[in-house]
Amino acid sequence: LAKTTQPISMDSYEGQEVNITCSHNNIATNDYITWYQQFPSQGPRFIIQGYKTKVTNEVASLFIPADRKSSTLSLPRVSLSDTAVYYCLVGRDDYKLSFGAGTTVTVRA
Amino acid sequence: DADVTQTPRNRITKTGKRIMLECSQTKGHDRMYWYRQDPGLGLRLIYYSFDVKDINKGEISDGYSVSRQAQAKFSLSLESAIPNQTALYFCATSDRVGRAINEQFFGPGTRLTVL
Repeated sequence: LAKTTQPISMDSYEGQEVNITCSHNNIATNDYITWYQQFPSQGPRFIIQGYKTKVTNEVASLFIPADRKSSTLSLPRVSLSDTAVYYCLVGRDDYKLSFGAGTTVTVRA
Repeated sequence: DADVTQTPRNRITKTGKRIMLECSQTKGHDRMYWYRQDPGLGLRLIYYSFDVKDINKGEISDGYSVSRQAQAKFSLSLESAIPNQTALYFCATSDRVGRAINEQFFGPGTRLTVL
């Protein structure tokens, strides 16, 4: 399993862009990069997934450099409701994904 | 109505008691999972099932058992609860689609306290 490293916490203010970088130096050729969001007392929710380059959806963007040893989740113009824990997962099998401690993002007014 | 439901939502029990947590889904997914979450530790996989006859142990299955009664139902049992099983338990489902990593859909969680 690819080990991931992401910051424990990040603080931001409403309207700013938040970028969370995840390191995964031993990512395998067939591994995908997936990000989940979890609000307090709720189950995680899928945000975005990618393999290489850039992926964008209505919620976030995911930037993956050519060597794929890291990835950056970008949340544009955050609001208070984006306060949550964000998990970076790397793998190719549903049952082998590891939810580490994640990054706690706190958005302040 | 929620696609993935868990019952009960909260449960307090005593050491040594048998307890069952239930999960039901209306998404029609083949795959179901049980995770536990402890503060600051993220989620850890207890058991997973790819269909009714395919059940597998996850990272931390000791002290737990499961039953897949139907495609839509997956139960987690603690045969003899102990205090360090106090945690937040999540059920999840995913579709068996042969692309990338299938998105998992999580239930609302069951908060279990073992005294």
